[in-house]
Amino acid sequence: DADVTQTPRNRITKTGKRIMLECSQTKGHDRMYWYRQDPGLGLRLIYYSFDVKDINKGEISDGYSVSRQAQAKFSLSLESAIPNQTALYFCATSGDPGQGTGELFFGEGSRLTVL
Amino acid sequence: GNSVTQMEGPVTLSEEAFLTINCTYTATGYPSLFWYVQYPGEGLQLLLKATKADDKGSNKGFEATYRKETTSFHLEKGSVQVSDSAVYFCALSALTTSGTYKYIFGTGTRLKVLA
Repeated sequence: DADVTQTPRNRITKTGKRIMLECSQTKGHDRMYWYRQDPGLGLRLIYYSFDVKDINKGEISDGYSVSRQAQAKFSLSLESAIPNQTALYFCATSGDPGQGTGELFFGEGSRLTVL
Repeated sequence: GNSVTQMEGPVTLSEEAFLTINCTYTATGYPSLFWYVQYPGEGLQLLLKATKADDKGSNKGFEATYRKETTSFHLEKGSVQVSDSAVYFCALSALTTSGTYKYIFGTGTRLKVLA
């Protein structure tokens, strides 16, 4: 089984709908992240969490919210989806960079299309 | 602020050709440097890393050397294969003024290797 699992892998929805993307990990890491990938823009950080009680905004958090339900679970919500949120979304985890390289482990991605 | 600049693609090579993908960075302090690879339909996975100046990361025939004097971390492979076709991301992890580590990704370079 994958260390970082994302569901759904693909989703097509309509403008204004609420969408939740879920992520679970078996790495035992405290740190979890949500990224968005767009062609030509690389990866941009949406939200990150360093433990269950810690939630932080990334560089493009507007229009998104997150919930850290447990150490292993971190979900991303779009309360009212809009077409420019069409993208590939990645969840990632890491250990503490201060105690090592802090390598990121990624899920396989959730492709979201908003019509 | 911190940033990563990598050469734009796509890069198209014939099998067994030599590969170089350029990556330069700006960062305060002493960042860790990474190359991640994204195969079609998959998430990003770590290809190699270097944590201090003059370190050489290597994996699967790929190499990159942390050059502090030129702030570069160029990816090289002596003989590419069709299976190396993927998108390659250069990234850094650096300590911010708030005391947390932040990852910065380049925009990615698509490599296509022809048989």
